[in-house]
Amino acid sequence: LAKTTQPISMDSYEGQEVNITCSHNNIATNDYITWYQQFPSQGPRFIIQGYKTKVTNEVASLFIPADRKSSTLSLPRVSLSDTAVYYCLVGEYSGAGSYQLTFGKGTKLSVIP
Amino acid sequence: DTGVSQDPRHKITKRGQNVTFRCDPISEHNRLYWYRQTLGQGPEFLTYFQNEAQLEKSRLLSDRFSAERPKGSFSTLEIQRTEQGDSAMYLCASSLNRVVSTEAFFGQGTRLTVV
Repeated sequence: LAKTTQPISMDSYEGQEVNITCSHNNIATNDYITWYQQFPSQGPRFIIQGYKTKVTNEVASLFIPADRKSSTLSLPRVSLSDTAVYYCLVGEYSGAGSYQLTFGKGTKLSVIP
Repeated sequence: DTGVSQDPRHKITKRGQNVTFRCDPISEHNRLYWYRQTLGQGPEFLTYFQNEAQLEKSRLLSDRFSAERPKGSFSTLEIQRTEQGDSAMYLCASSLNRVVSTEAFFGQGTRLTVV
């Protein structure tokens, strides 16, 4: 299983850009990098996925270097409502178009007023 | 919004009792996953279905755990002879059968307390 390592917690002030870096040294060729967000007492919510270089959507950007051994989730101008746990996952290809998602402990982001 | 629905939201049971949880996925989703989450930890994968076929069940925690998806729609997760260590949030997720997608939609979970 591809293991991920990310900081346990981070603090940020409102309005700042937040970058959360994750390492996944044994990522395989067919694996995708995925980030999820989870609020207390709710199920995780998909944020973004990528394979290489940069991916951007309306919520975040994901930067992946050429060796794909790490990735950085960038949240622009965070607000108090972005306080949550953010999980970096490697979606491991398990055949027949299926990806298995293995969650780590995540990064608890606290946004301070 | 017809997202993933889980029932019940909370369950308190006595040790040794059997419990069953239900998950109704998003209607067009043919993949369904079960996870368990304990306090301070990320969700732990248990099993998954593609339509009615259970394609991965080696991660089920013990033979007391079983899951079904008889008609490829809703799914049930049963825990027999519950133990206090089974207390956790049980999450269900569903997704489309896309070739390249790691996007799954999670329900709000069933919180189990074994006393």
